[in-house]
Amino acid sequence: AQKVTQAQTEISVVEKEDVTLDCVYETRDTTYYLFWYKQPPSGELVFLIRRNSFDEQNEISGRYSWNFQKSTSSFNFTITASQVVDSAVYFCAFSGGYQKVTFGTGTKLQVIP
Amino acid sequence: GAVVSQHPSWVICKSGTSVKIECRSLDFQATTMFWYRQFPKQSLMLMATSNEGSKATYEQGVEKDKFLINHASLTLSTLTVTSAHPEDSSFYICSAREPRANTGELFFGEGSRLTVL
Repeated sequence: AQKVTQAQTEISVVEKEDVTLDCVYETRDTTYYLFWYKQPPSGELVFLIRRNSFDEQNEISGRYSWNFQKSTSSFNFTITASQVVDSAVYFCAFSGGYQKVTFGTGTKLQVIP
Repeated sequence: GAVVSQHPSWVICKSGTSVKIECRSLDFQATTMFWYRQFPKQSLMLMATSNEGSKATYEQGVEKDKFLINHASLTLSTLTVTSAHPEDSSFYICSAREPRANTGELFFGEGSRLTVL
C-alpha cells in the first residue's frame, strides 16, 4: 500500500525567508506519480507540480522548486523568498499510475509579514 | 488544461434532507472520477471511485447507501448525500483524469462545502 508522510504539521516563517516542505512516500510500485497541491483558505485545490517516477530532475518554477530523490523516497518542496500569499495548506500526493491518489496530511504554512 | 467543475460550491440544508453535488468534466471525457471528503483541518480522504456505466467502488468505511454515486455519462458524476445529518457537514471534492494526457495528473473540481443544520 502507498503511504505519504508530511511530518511537518504547521510551519511559520517570516516573509522573505525560504521554507522547505518535506514529503516522504512509501510504495512498491516502479511507476508512479507525485504531486504537490496548494489549498488556500478559500478551499480549492491548486495544482503545483506533477513528477513521474522516471524523472528525477529537480524543477524550478519561479520561487518554487522541487527536489525529487528516489533513493530517500522524498519529494520536497521549497519556496524561496516567501510571501504572505504563500500562506496555505500544502498537500503532497502519490498515485500509482491510474490508481487512486493518496494525499499526505498536509502542511499548513503561515507566512508572517 | 483539463477543467473539472463542481456545483454547487456551497450548500446548506436541513437535517434529514438529501443533497446532490454534481461533478462535470468540461473539456474531456472521464470514464473514472473520484470523490474525496475533507474534514476541517484534515487531509483529503478518498470516498469512492465513480465508474461510468457501472457501480461505484467505495472505500472501506464509506456507507454506500448514505453516499450515492451515479456516473451516468462520460462527463458527469453525481454524489448524493441522503438523509443528511450534521456530521455529514464537510468539504466534498471531485476529481478526474484526462485520459488522453496519459500523465496520471488528477484534475480537481472547486469543491462543495456542505453544511447540515
